[in-house]
Amino acid sequence: GDSVTQMEGPVTLSEEAFLTINCTYTATGYPSLFWYVQYPGEGLQLLLKATKADDKGSNKGFEATYRKETTSFHLEKGSVQVSDSAVYFCALSPGTYKYIFGTGTRLKVLA
Amino acid sequence: GAGVSQSPRYKVAKRGQDVALRCDPISGHVSLFWYQQALGQGPEFLTYFQNEAQLDKSGLPSDRFFAERPEGSVSTLKIQRTQQEDSAVYLCASSFDPGAYEQYFGPGTRLTVT
Repeated sequence: GDSVTQMEGPVTLSEEAFLTINCTYTATGYPSLFWYVQYPGEGLQLLLKATKADDKGSNKGFEATYRKETTSFHLEKGSVQVSDSAVYFCALSPGTYKYIFGTGTRLKVLA
Repeated sequence: GAGVSQSPRYKVAKRGQDVALRCDPISGHVSLFWYQQALGQGPEFLTYFQNEAQLDKSGLPSDRFFAERPEGSVSTLKIQRTQQEDSAVYLCASSFDPGAYEQYFGPGTRLTVT
């Protein structure tokens, strides 16, 4: 069945460091791919999405490129801030209404 | 405008009690979803409504779980005879489009069964 695999956390970085959170997926067909972020005490918020191969989603300095050849959708940011500390979830939608989420990666950014 | 709201935010239940969790979706959103998020895990799909019709309940873990959305707006997830393994955060999400590429999530209800 369809699945999403994320790198385990926590990921701890200093402010202004470069961030990569790896996400790979298994799916039949051509799913849409998403990154959601969950700040402490809040609900999941859509961070960015890509709906077809080679699409790049971007928002708030974060970006991810839909790579069909490597079945990946890695999240990157050039310079993280303390306010980026949160849990990040990679997810796919196989073309229906369902989302399939990864287990989440906690990011801690230290001042 | 208001986002998705859920109540209560926290619920402690003794094993065997029944609980009801409420979700108020964004006004006008046709689709509504319930997810279960265990500690340290990603959300897992429970059920899906399009307006008042429950189109998919394949993720409900047992017949103790029941969801309804009688008027196509507010939804209630009911768990009967709660067990310890039901302890989790229950997330509600809604979307305007039945195709649901973008879902808007509520803050969740954390259920602890003692």
